[in-house]
This record gives sequence, structure tokens and C-alpha cells, in this order.
Amino acid sequence: DAGVIQSPRHEVTEMGQEVTLRCKPISGHDYLFWYRQTMMRGLELLIYFNNNVPIDDSGMPEDRFSAKMPNASFSTLKIQPSEPRDSAVYFCASSPSNRGGGQFFGPGTRLTVL
Amino acid sequence: GEDVEQSLFLSVREGDSSVINCTYTDSSSTYLYWYKQEPGAGLQLLTYIFSNMDMKQDQRLTVLLNKKDKHLSLRIADTQTGDSAIYFCAESIRNTGKLIFGQGTTLQVKP
Repeated sequence: DAGVIQSPRHEVTEMGQEVTLRCKPISGHDYLFWYRQTMMRGLELLIYFNNNVPIDDSGMPEDRFSAKMPNASFSTLKIQPSEPRDSAVYFCASSPSNRGGGQFFGPGTRLTVL
Repeated sequence: GEDVEQSLFLSVREGDSSVINCTYTDSSSTYLYWYKQEPGAGLQLLTYIFSNMDMKQDQRLTVLLNKKDKHLSLRIADTQTGDSAIYFCAESIRNTGKLIFGQGTTLQVKP
């Protein structure tokens, strides 16, 4: 298996622009998670899905952030409009169940908003 | 609420053993995890332990769990320079699939 795939790996954009981050989870995994990592705040869970349904979005910082999972093999995280404070590394992770086994992380998207 | 605490930094010499410690708060956690993050990479699952176990060994890695004190440790034997990374402890939240991560311990291995 190729593991969790994220694209793009790096994104540089200007303040006010829309940013879309993409994730393909490991096939057969029922859970998908979006995290954000910064030096100041560490690793934060933004939102997670179970069987394509959003379960907990309490970590989404503001209405500028939205996430979708239209099918079992694809998810997007969108920021519109982007701001410099959104600069971070965004990780997608997937998990086969809620009964252990852990989460498997993608390589991340490094977002820089100028 | 749930919380996971780790010390921020550990420095050891190559060949020594490293011990990274973690405390957690949720006594109902069924699984506890150790992840490794190398610069510029995602988190890599190293190992995990079920809450009814006291110890788990996997090659150079030994995980010890003290459920009474809610204390988890990761011992790396014969630490190598390639072990330099950030190590995260995480606890599972029962029946949710969610993990709560600590802030990470940076392990520096000196030659």
C-alpha cells in the first residue's frame, strides 16, 4: 500500500487566496483525520470523519476552514480566504478502526501564506 | 479533559539507552502509542501497547506502562544518531478513534 497521500507537498500563496489541500487515505480505513502542526501550538486535531461523515469539527479554527470527504478515498481541507496565521504543516491521517492499531500519517502539506 | 504531558528535550550519547517519559489523564484509554517524527516528515507509528499490558518489547524499543500512575515510557536501547527525532506519546479516546497527543520530546543523540 502506498500509505496516506497528500498533495501538494508545499503551497505558497498570498493572503486572501483560497487554498485546497488534498488527501487520499489508506484503502479500507474507515477514519480520516486532519491535523495542523505549528511550533507554537504543536499538533492540533482540526476535524475527523468516520465512513465519510464528519464526526467532530470542534478543532476547526474558524468559518474560513472547511473539510469534505465525498467518498472513501478522497478528502479536502479548504481555507478561504487564507491568512498568514494559517501558515503551518497540515497532516492527514487515516485509521482502520476505533479499536486500536493507531493512525497512519501522510507526509504533510507545508502551507505558507504571505 | 484529556491531557498528555511529556518533557520537551532529551540528550544522550550514541550507544547509550534513551528513556522518554509520558503521563496521561484518561484512565479509560485502551491503547497508548509512540510516534516518531523526523524533520520534514509526517508522524511514524513506532509501537503501541494495550492498556492491560505492562510491557511490550520490539527489537531496540521497550514500552513500559504503569496504569496506576498513568505513566508510559519508551526505552530505546543502543541509541543511534538516526534515532534523533521528535517522539510523541498519544492516548486513545475510547470508542472515538481519536488520539490525544503530547507536545513531543526532542531526542538529540550526540556522537
